[in-house]
Amino acid sequence: EAGVAQSPRYKIIEKRQSVAFWCNPISGHATLYWYQQILGQGPKLLIQFQNNGVVDDSQLPKDRFSAERLKGVDSTLKIQPAKLEDSAVYLCASSPDTLVTQYFGPGTRLLVL
Amino acid sequence: DQQVKQNSPSLSVQEGRISILNCDYTNSMFDYFLWYKKYPAEGPTFLISISSIKDKNEDGRFTVFLNKSAKHLSLHIVPSQPGDSAVYFCAARDTNAGGTSYGKLTFGQGTILTVHP
Repeated sequence: EAGVAQSPRYKIIEKRQSVAFWCNPISGHATLYWYQQILGQGPKLLIQFQNNGVVDDSQLPKDRFSAERLKGVDSTLKIQPAKLEDSAVYLCASSPDTLVTQYFGPGTRLLVL
Repeated sequence: DQQVKQNSPSLSVQEGRISILNCDYTNSMFDYFLWYKKYPAEGPTFLISISSIKDKNEDGRFTVFLNKSAKHLSLHIVPSQPGDSAVYFCAARDTNAGGTSYGKLTFGQGTILTVHP
């Protein structure tokens, strides 16, 4: 079974630029999560999708972050414009449903200069 | 507001000995707890979990203990192996958050475990 795929793996941008991350969850997984992990901290949930609907985006900075999950499969997370404090690893995870084990992708490491 | 805390940033253990990683939480609504393991440049991988109705769960070399009254859980690895060297995250879930079951996980900061040969 293929795992959660993410791209790119690394991205360096300057502040005020835009960036987008892509996630392909495990086939058949209805629930998809985006987490932000700042160095020295644990992952923090940004947004959770159930199929193609948002069920929790309470910690997503909506003035600059946006996410979508078209057709309930792949998802993209966008930052526009980026700030220095957005430097982090962005992790995508998926699970068959909301109350079962989450499987994480390798993450995208973002550096904002 | 850090609802899940891992107060030890790092732990160093000799191969063959026991590793004990600790985690404290403040939210009494948490009813399910998980441990994830993370190698560099990889995403976290699920290790073991425990429901709040239990006080112990064992899987091979890994045992998780839950003390609800103290709001404390620990992960025991015995015997420790060099391949166990990784960052370990404790996570907690409030199954009934907001009256719906979203499954949101709240993570601790992580503990870096180093097992020396």
